[in-house]
Amino acid sequence: ILNVEQSPQSLHVQEGDSTNFTCSFPSSNFYALHWYRWETAKSPEALFVMTLNGDEKKKGRISATLNTKEGYSYLYIKGSQPEDSATYLCALTARGGNAGGTSYGKLTFGQGTILTVHP
Amino acid sequence: DSGVTQTPKHLITATGQRVTLRCSPRSGDLSVYWYQQSLDQGLQFLIQYYNGEERAKGNILERFSAQQFPDLHSELNLSSLELGDSALYFCASSVEGRANYGYTFGSGTRLTVV
Repeated sequence: ILNVEQSPQSLHVQEGDSTNFTCSFPSSNFYALHWYRWETAKSPEALFVMTLNGDEKKKGRISATLNTKEGYSYLYIKGSQPEDSATYLCALTARGGNAGGTSYGKLTFGQGTILTVHP
Repeated sequence: DSGVTQTPKHLITATGQRVTLRCSPRSGDLSVYWYQQSLDQGLQFLIQYYNGEERAKGNILERFSAQQFPDLHSELNLSSLELGDSALYFCASSVEGRANYGYTFGSGTRLTVV
């Protein structure tokens, strides 16, 4: 069973603050790491998919880094805005067999970091 | 609209009953995933189908079953329902069976068992 840990569980920041969250995962058999943003009453929306150690991805004010050797990923938000308020989820796929065959599609999600940006 | 359609959006049923949740993947996506989110739990993987075949299985109860049809839509069947099965059930799709691309999630079906 993969253990994907996210910290902190929740975060309150003021508009304009920069913030970052951590996703920790087992480094063995790494295949891919995903980040999703999940706004209340909506469905999770993909932000980034990272597969290589040292990957850095950026989308507007949000960026992410990946360290597969030590098993962590950081998500950064620069100049937080109230519309950034959401739950941020990371999810991991590991290499390896699965009953009935090999699957690299199964994503194991962390519990998420709830971000609230106050105006 | 994400392109993944889930029906119904809400479902209220009694214990012991059977329900079917339906998912139509985004156009062009071959893989469908089912996830369950119970109270205070994260998204729990149930099962994955790729082009009609089961590809991976998670913590899916024996009372639950799923399939993917030739037109690629998928159904999740939940039987002998218990109060603890009350949850938000998400379907997601992706173009291939591997996690090289982000998944597109539907808006979910909220199941309440009374």
